[in-house]
Amino acid sequence: NAGVTQTPKFQVLKTGQSMTLQCAQDMNHEYMSWYRQDPGMGLRLIHYSVGAGITDQGEVPNGYNVSRSTTEDFPLRLLSAAPSQTSVYFCASSPFGENTEAFFGQGTRLTVV
Amino acid sequence: AQKITQTQPGMFVQEKEAVTLDCTYDTSDPSYGLFWYKQPSSGEMIFLIYQGSYDQQNATEGRYSLNFQKARKSANLVISASQLGDSAMYFCAMRPFAGNKLTFGGGTRVLVKP
Repeated sequence: NAGVTQTPKFQVLKTGQSMTLQCAQDMNHEYMSWYRQDPGMGLRLIHYSVGAGITDQGEVPNGYNVSRSTTEDFPLRLLSAAPSQTSVYFCASSPFGENTEAFFGQGTRLTVV
Repeated sequence: AQKITQTQPGMFVQEKEAVTLDCTYDTSDPSYGLFWYKQPSSGEMIFLIYQGSYDQQNATEGRYSLNFQKARKSANLVISASQLGDSAMYFCAMRPFAGNKLTFGGGTRVLVKP
């Protein structure tokens, strides 16, 4: 059972480069989200989606784009990478419901030099 | 807006002893859920326990229990009989019932000593 799959696991980018972090889930969850984790700051919400075709901004959306063309996939795009975007990125999915926990991918460690 | 505060950046605990991780929260939502996640050194996020704001009893899952005090807006995690494998980062999180957006605290790093 795959759950939430993120690729790549590690990535090094040069300042100004663009890239897409992939996220796919096979649990038919409506809700998907992207977080970044920086030391001492926990996880902060970048963007989220409540279903195919619907996305919205989270707490720290600047410099990132998302789209949700299918229920399964929720890619995160870095338009022009900056050193401040060096972080660990997590994708998560959950079904709607009061007591439903979020399922997380393994994370992507991104370094921007 | 929601806010989660974990005041203990790190702590040591002796193997086989219990440890309490503090979590306080602030929200204007009338109904919400509280979650604890474990992040070992390998990096994955592991769900531990859930408490709903309307639940009358404190949640328990094996060696994990949640000490929920709604009036004080606290949701402390208690790990009983600590094991070496409990060494990890622990995050408290919450979300309103009306929505799925999780808000996380800054985390507490636990190191279990043999």
